[in-house]
Amino acid sequence: EAGVAQSPRYKIIEKRQSVAFWCNPISGHATLYWYQQILGQGPKLLIQFQNNGVVDDSQLPKDRFSAERLKGVDSTLKIQPAKLEDSAVYLCASSRMTGGIYEQYFGPGTRLTVT
Amino acid sequence: KQEVTQIPAALSVPEGENLVLNCSFTDSAIYNLQWFRQDPGKGLTSLLLIQSSQREQTSGRLNASLDKSSGRSTLYIAASQPGDSATYLCAVRGETSGSRLTFGEGTQLTVNP
Repeated sequence: EAGVAQSPRYKIIEKRQSVAFWCNPISGHATLYWYQQILGQGPKLLIQFQNNGVVDDSQLPKDRFSAERLKGVDSTLKIQPAKLEDSAVYLCASSRMTGGIYEQYFGPGTRLTVT
Repeated sequence: KQEVTQIPAALSVPEGENLVLNCSFTDSAIYNLQWFRQDPGKGLTSLLLIQSSQREQTSGRLNASLDKSSGRSTLYIAASQPGDSATYLCAVRGETSGSRLTFGEGTQLTVNP
């Protein structure tokens, strides 16, 4: 079974520019997550989708970050405008419930550097 | 608010040594706890998932234990190898947080040949 795909793998932008990341989850996984991982820290959930609806976006900086999951499959995370503190790895994960357990599978991440 | 702490932040051991990584969490109302491995520049790979009703899980040289009431978990790695070098992350799924995971900051492990 193919894993979670993300692109691009690396991105360098200047502050105040905009950037978008793409995620394709594992086939059949209804739940999709975007995490932000700052160097030296654990991942922090930004937003969670169930099919194409938002379940949790309480930690998403909504003044600059947005995300969508059209048709309940692929998802895009956008930052506009970017700040220096947005430099991080952005991880996408997907899961489905099996026997009451949500086990999350992670993609390779997109490393963003804001200069 | 759930907080997850991992000790130590970094660990360097000679090959062949048995080692223990520690994870603690502040809210014991959890569904499960997962241990992940992260290699540089890579995503996270799930190693073990322990449900709240379980005490431990084993996979090969890895053994994870869970003491839910005291808010602690340990990951035991037997006979460590240089290929085990990576960052190990602990994450919990709370009973009131849906399927969201709360992560610790990780332990960076280096196994020297």
